[in-house]
Amino acid sequence: DQQVKQNSPSLSVQEGRISILNCDYTNSMFDYFLWYKKYPAEGPTFLISISSIKDKNEDGRFTVFLNKSAKHLSLHIVPSQPGDSAVYFCAANPNTDKLIFGTGTRLQVFP
Amino acid sequence: NAGVTQTPKFQVLKTGQSMTLQCAQDMNHNSMYWYRQDPGMGLRLIYYSASEGTTDKGEVPNGYNVSRLNKREFSLRLESAAPSQTSVYFCASSETRGFGEQFFGPGTRLTVL
Repeated sequence: DQQVKQNSPSLSVQEGRISILNCDYTNSMFDYFLWYKKYPAEGPTFLISISSIKDKNEDGRFTVFLNKSAKHLSLHIVPSQPGDSAVYFCAANPNTDKLIFGTGTRLQVFP
Repeated sequence: NAGVTQTPKFQVLKTGQSMTLQCAQDMNHNSMYWYRQDPGMGLRLIYYSASEGTTDKGEVPNGYNVSRLNKREFSLRLESAAPSQTSVYFCASSETRGFGEQFFGPGTRLTVL
């Protein structure tokens, strides 16, 4: 059973607009969440994270929002750039050594 | 700093052959991980090592073995490769238990015929 779900396999956004990537989780004990970005033929790289004691974390163009009651988080990219085209993975940390990853959303930003 | 390195980058095996995927990190991290990535499945944990000398199974350990050779190196072995093991394999490391972000290597693309 998938504990971390990214229900949109792909998203296409025009350059300059906002990209919103969504992630849902099932376990209310998850207390730390991360977003990773992956380009083709490369390993994932860490993008941004959020602790369950917060509901928002910003880093430049990237903002992650956490809604604990809905067990939902989202990544906002504003403004979107062609270089943001990649696969984005949401991950949850259940306070162990391990991360649980979602299936990923492929973002394409077109001019 | 090379970060996390993996060898080889590509490999083609025949069913039943064995091979070892190598991983090394130069960040003095305690924890190391092996994942596989398949289309539509995300990243699934095969094995991990919380510290030198310890290893534990992840979500999909069947058909694999690991060795934490020292603090830097963590290898993944396929004893008898099967077509179901065709995948992209990533090694990762992290500094601390729990919250620490994981740093990934570039991956090994393995095809089993």
